[in-house]
Amino acid sequence: AQSVTQLDSHVSVSEGTPVLLRCNYSSSYSPSLFWYVQHPNKGLQLLLKYTSAATLVKGINGFEAEFKKSETSFHLTKPSAHMSDAAEYFCVVSVVGRDDKIIFGKGTRLHILP
Amino acid sequence: KAGVTQTPRYLIKTRGQQVTLSCSPISGHRSVSWYQQTPGQGLQFLFEYFSETQRNKGNFPGRFSGRQFSNSRSEMNVSTLELGDSALYLCASSLPIPGGYEQYFGPGTRLTVT
Repeated sequence: AQSVTQLDSHVSVSEGTPVLLRCNYSSSYSPSLFWYVQHPNKGLQLLLKYTSAATLVKGINGFEAEFKKSETSFHLTKPSAHMSDAAEYFCVVSVVGRDDKIIFGKGTRLHILP
Repeated sequence: KAGVTQTPRYLIKTRGQQVTLSCSPISGHRSVSWYQQTPGQGLQFLFEYFSETQRNKGNFPGRFSGRQFSNSRSEMNVSTLELGDSALYLCASSLPIPGGYEQYFGPGTRLTVT
């Protein structure tokens, strides 16, 4: 069975400090993993994706994520937060197998403090 | 390439009415998924269509239905609207990638039921 757990529903950081949004997954197959961002009243925008190539994935707006199979994690990071990063972030696992599945985490709301 | 488009963007309906939402996927994408997003329940999967056939379905009542046309455009219909159906309805078209599917989201349709 596949599942995604975003460990924090809310994260607050000061502008200019690092961001860490945590995601753990469970999958019977080799998954593809994604992070999406959603600004208020907007659709979801793809930040980055892991598809079994390099384990450190660089995305848009300075975000990165590292796939760690031993820890079943895919945490999202950014060295320096900007006010425009305030949004909701979703970790997603996608598998192709007996049942193709796309599973969303419950989301993490990122707050940026001035 | 044009992105995923959804119409209308905003809709106000009365309890008991029905509504039809439309989604045009990215050219060449054959899979379309629908999601309901509410503050209380978060992002919930409604159904997925691939080549005019429903391939996956979430846990929603039969009042929620959909279809896909030969040009991959999709519609979803909600009959006998309830106040709890007020939500942002997101459509995503999918592209197969190694190990999974990558989804591209439209801006959503904001449905308000009064």
